[in-house]
Parts: sequence; structure tokens; C-alpha cells
Amino acid sequence: NAGVTQTPKFQVLKTGQSMTLQCAQDMNHNSMYWYRQDPGMGLRLIYYSASEGTTDKGEVPNGYNVSRLNKREFSLRLESAAPSQTSVYFCASSERPTGELFFGEGSRLTVL
Amino acid sequence: AQSVTQPDIHITVSEGASLELRCNYSYGATPYLFWYVQSPGQGLQLLLKYFSGDTLVQGIKGFEAEFKRSQSSFNLRKPSVHWSDAAEYFCAVVSGGYNKLIFGAGTRLAVHP
Repeated sequence: NAGVTQTPKFQVLKTGQSMTLQCAQDMNHNSMYWYRQDPGMGLRLIYYSASEGTTDKGEVPNGYNVSRLNKREFSLRLESAAPSQTSVYFCASSERPTGELFFGEGSRLTVL
Repeated sequence: AQSVTQPDIHITVSEGASLELRCNYSYGATPYLFWYVQSPGQGLQLLLKYFSGDTLVQGIKGFEAEFKRSQSSFNLRKPSVHWSDAAEYFCAVVSGGYNKLIFGAGTRLAVHP
């Protein structure tokens, strides 16, 4: 059972470079989310997609863009990476608005 | 705005001892509350959730939590901790619709043999 799969698991970027984090879920969930985790701050919502074709900003959207490619896939793009975006990024999905969130294993991004 | 506070950043207990992790929330309406656990290098796994009804909820791995509206709390408990319980624990509350969880900063649990 794959669940939520994120790629890559590790990435090092230089300031100003761009990259895309990929996320795919095989549970036929409607909603998908991107969070970032920083020490002492818990997880903060970057963007979410309530259903295929829709995306909305979360708490900390600045510097990021997202694409809900289809029901399975939800990507997160950093157009011009900054050191402040060094973090661990988690993708999650849920079947319904108040259902359990299922998380991927995370993608550790370092921006030098 | 909704918020979640976990007052204890780090807790150490001995194996076999009881455990209580504290969580306080700020939310105007009836909250949807969750506890997640994160093992090192892993994603988050749901331990338990409260939506309504019985204020004492049971979860996986022998954990339970009690919702106390008067104290705006949702503390996590376990009667006897095992070494495998060492992890980071996050309390979360739903903000708005579509399950937008607001997380606390987390409590890191260490277990001594």
C-alpha cells in the first residue's frame, strides 16, 4: 500500500534556483495539502486543494505555487528558492473535509 | 484565529510510567481535535480524533484523550509507556472547512529504560 508518495526525499538548492516537489496519492482522496515543518513551529499549511481543479492558500503561501494536476497528484513549486524555505515538506490527503489526513514521509529541502 | 498550544516542548518518562501530554486550543465553535504521532524520519500518523459525543476518546497504541470544553483542553494520556512510544506528538484543530489543520508546536517524548 503506497498511500502518499513524495519525491524527492532530499534536495539541496542554491538561492534563486527553482524546483518542484511532487506528491501522488493512490487512495482516491478528494483533498490534498502541502505543509512545511520547522523546529518548534509544528506544521504550517502552505496550500491545499479541496478537490480536483481547485487550490487555495494556507497560512504561509508566499514563495510557493501549486498545481493540482489530477485527482492523484498535487505538486509544490518554488520559483526562486530562499534560505528561509529550508524545511521539511509534507504532502497529505484526505477523503472528506473532516476525515483523517494521511501524510507522506516528507521531503527535506535545504537552500544554501 | 484558531490556535493550538502544547506547553511542553520535551518530556522524559521512564518505561512503564504513565504519560500525559497537554494540549490547549483556541476555537470559537465546537472543535474537531486530533492527536498525531511522528516517529523520526517519518510522516505523521493519526492517534485519535474527537468530533463530538463522548469526551473520552480511545485511539491506537493504547492512547486516549479527554476533551474538556471548560478548560479548552484535549490532553493525551497513556497508562504505561513503552520504549517504542518515543516520538514527537502533535495536537491539531480543524480551522474552517476542508480539514485545514492547525498544529501545535509538538512535544518530543523520550522514554528511559
